[in-house]
Amino acid sequence: QSALTQPASVSGSPGQSITISCTGTTSDVGGYNHVSWYQLHPGKGPQLIIFDVNKRPSGDSNRFSGSKSGNTASLTISGLQAEDEADYYCSSYTTSRSYVFGSGTKVTVL
Amino acid sequence: QVQVVQSGAEVKKPGASVKVSCTTSGYTFIRYYMHWVRQAPGQGLEWMGLINPSGGTTKYAQKLQDRVTMTRDTSTNTVYMELSALRSEDTAVYYCAREGFCSGDTCSFQFWGQGTLVTV
Repeated sequence: QSALTQPASVSGSPGQSITISCTGTTSDVGGYNHVSWYQLHPGKGPQLIIFDVNKRPSGDSNRFSGSKSGNTASLTISGLQAEDEADYYCSSYTTSRSYVFGSGTKVTVL
Repeated sequence: QVQVVQSGAEVKKPGASVKVSCTTSGYTFIRYYMHWVRQAPGQGLEWMGLINPSGGTTKYAQKLQDRVTMTRDTSTNTVYMELSALRSEDTAVYYCAREGFCSGDTCSFQFWGQGTLVTV
């Protein structure tokens, strides 16, 4: 199972919105309404920020939103803040009854 | 509250095996699958497999299925991941992650351990 394709890096200024794409195939992203997004800060464990394409764990920031079209899912971060600087990974369930992660995107706040 | 605590860092020689533990509390152990995910230095996350703590059934990533074994101990609410025939490419931080927010057969990884560095 090949990793889902994400841009290596995305950057933006504080207050701006950025979008990270996550492209797979009909065997994963396109086949299920199950895409999750995880945030990783250096030295810390992953944190779930979006599940089932566009749902947020309760209490989490509404600046994070998700969507999907065909084989590509997207994570949008609105009102970019310094604390959003981290690595972001998408994940999808697959037809092999397994899971696959994206290649990861480093977000830089300028 | 849910807690997931992993065992400490390990240093192993090539060809050896390593066994990492993941002890849980704050929920009914047998109700949620546990997954293992690893991240090699400078690399992305890689899903390794899962275990159903209720019956002990497992599902492994194809590239690791000959070398990985996941088990559980319901008396201590602990899951284990053992990786054999270690090679330098197995140097990574290994995470256990309890599933949550499930829809049918698919779940997200809601609660994560702190990670265990394995150096080969």
